[in-house]
This record gives sequence, C-alpha cells and structure tokens, in this order.
Amino acid sequence: DIQMTQSPSTLSASVGDRVTITCRASQSISTWLAWYQQKPGIAPKLLIYAASSLQSGVPSRFSGSGSGTDFTLTISSLQPDDFATYYCQQYNDLWTFGRGTRVEIK
Amino acid sequence: QITLKESGPTLVKPTQTLTLTCTFSGFSLTTSGVGVGWIRQPPGKALEWLAVIFWDDNKRYSPSLKSRFTITRDTSKNQVVLTLTNMDPVDTATYYCAHRLKYGHTFDYWGQGILVTVSS
Repeated sequence: DIQMTQSPSTLSASVGDRVTITCRASQSISTWLAWYQQKPGIAPKLLIYAASSLQSGVPSRFSGSGSGTDFTLTISSLQPDDFATYYCQQYNDLWTFGRGTRVEIK
Repeated sequence: QITLKESGPTLVKPTQTLTLTCTFSGFSLTTSGVGVGWIRQPPGKALEWLAVIFWDDNKRYSPSLKSRFTITRDTSKNQVVLTLTNMDPVDTATYYCAHRLKYGHTFDYWGQGILVTVSS
C-alpha cells in the first residue's frame, strides 16, 4: 500500500498569509496526486488534480506542485473561506488519503 | 449537472450487514472511464477509500477491508450499492460516494454523505 504523509497536522495562519502544506508518498506516484478541502459536516471538495491542475471553479490562489514523492499545496493569500482541513490523495495505485492538515485562524 | 446521494440505515448493530445505496444523476456508469467510489470518514478522523466500480463492471477494493466489502451496480437505476458485512463499532463513520470522470482523474463530485452508527 502507498502511504501518504502530510505536514503539518495543524497550521495557524492569518488572513493574507501565504500557506504551504506538504505531502509525501511512500513511493513514487508520478503526478497522480490530488488535494481536497473539507469543512465540518460537508463533503470534501476537489481543488487540485494531477498534482498541479486546478479544478474548474477553484480560485487561482490555490496551486499545487511536485512529482514523484514530494508535493505541496500553496494558498497564495489566505482568505476567510479557506479555514478548513486539507487532504492529499494519491491515485497512482488505488486511492490513499493523507491524515489531513487543519488550517486554523491565528 | 452531476449529483450523487447516499441512502441506507443510519444505525446498525454489531455483526449486522450494512447496505448503502448511491443514487446518481448527470452521468452514465456505462460511459468509458467513468467510475463510482465509496469513501468513509470516522468522526473527527481522516478519509479512507473503500471501493470503486467502473464503467466496464471492473471493481477494486481497499486491501485492508477487501474481504468484508462488495460493490455492485444497477445501470438501469443509476445506482451503486456497497455492502459491508460483520459491522463493528469502529465502522461508525460518514460514508460518501463519489464520481470519477475517467482514467487519470480522481473523485470530483461527491454525495453529501450518510452517517452510519454501529451500536447495540
């Protein structure tokens, strides 16, 4: 099984901050990596797929990068609506999610 | 417009079998590449992928849970059914179904989820 390790588990930030979340795969997954945003009581929302492709309708302040085993999600200027939990997911071999990164208000 | 909705019991007893139905619209599960998957999330915990069924009736399961799950489809009703045997309190979770557009893509549209509690 491919394991996904996200860091940090919690991140405290202010509106306007640049935020970076990292995800590491236990083996190479090429660019078969997605990022999701989830708010309490709501289904996850796809933000990024194929490591760096922005899902339709997602604000351009979200971006993804990486390949192989190391990936990042960047929010260029954190907005009030962005306080949520973010998950990475590999889909190179079946599907595996990371344990999540909670972005909270500083 | 793609929509999915989960239905089924919200309370089951330990050792019972859980049957969940995902009813979808806006796409066909006979279109090449399309898939419908199931993902669950215990309260306060991370997401866990469970199973997926594809347009050609191919199925894949999480290796850790494979023996307990069965995924099937009814293309005439636009439904996907997930069955989980021998339920345990650790299976308490919100269960989501989700749409996959094609190979090389992942789950883009999700249902609202259904919270299933396992308790005697």
